[in-house]
Amino acid sequence: AQSVTQLGSHVSVSEGALVLLRCNYSSSVPPYLFWYVQYPNQGLQLLLKYTSAATLVKGINDFEAEFKKSETSFHLTKPSAHMSDAAEYFCAVDQGGKLIFGQGTELSVKP
Amino acid sequence: KAGVTQTPRYLIKTRGQQVTLSCSPISGHRSVSWYQQTPGQGLQFLFEYFSETQRNKGNFPGRFSGRQFSNSRSEMNVSTLELGDSALYLCASSHRPGTGEETQYFGPGTRLLVL
Repeated sequence: AQSVTQLGSHVSVSEGALVLLRCNYSSSVPPYLFWYVQYPNQGLQLLLKYTSAATLVKGINDFEAEFKKSETSFHLTKPSAHMSDAAEYFCAVDQGGKLIFGQGTELSVKP
Repeated sequence: KAGVTQTPRYLIKTRGQQVTLSCSPISGHRSVSWYQQTPGQGLQFLFEYFSETQRNKGNFPGRFSGRQFSNSRSEMNVSTLELGDSALYLCASSHRPGTGEETQYFGPGTRLLVL
């Protein structure tokens, strides 16, 4: 079975600083990986997804993630944090059409 | 194009009652999945429907059931509610199931509180 581990349930950065949210996956086959964001009292919004076309994936709002097979990682980064980035972020792997989610990382952005 | 819609957005029930939640997928999407989100267990897959057939099911008791209609709209039902069923229930839709290349688009969720 596939699984996802997100390192760090809470991450705090200053506005303008680099955002790095970590995700490691476990999969016996080439995975399809996703990052979703959830703002308070809302559903999940897709940030980006990896489908093996390119190891560096660019998403919305200047987020990007790099697939590293040797490290089984799919970390999410953004060069400069904005206050509006404060939310919960979920990494997920597709398992036959159902998404297996990590526990989530809450991102706080300090002014 | 309208997104995934879920009704109602908020619901309060008491233990032992049953509840039905509704999900309308994005136009043209035929696959609908349901997820439960709780602080303790996180996001967990409930089931997936495609062409009115349940295609996939998560590890939830039989009190949780669902169905899909010919217009792809889906409902989920929880019978004999327990306190632990309090959660945000999210619906997601995609064009077709079973392939990771498909993106699942989520609705805003229905927040259920069981007293």
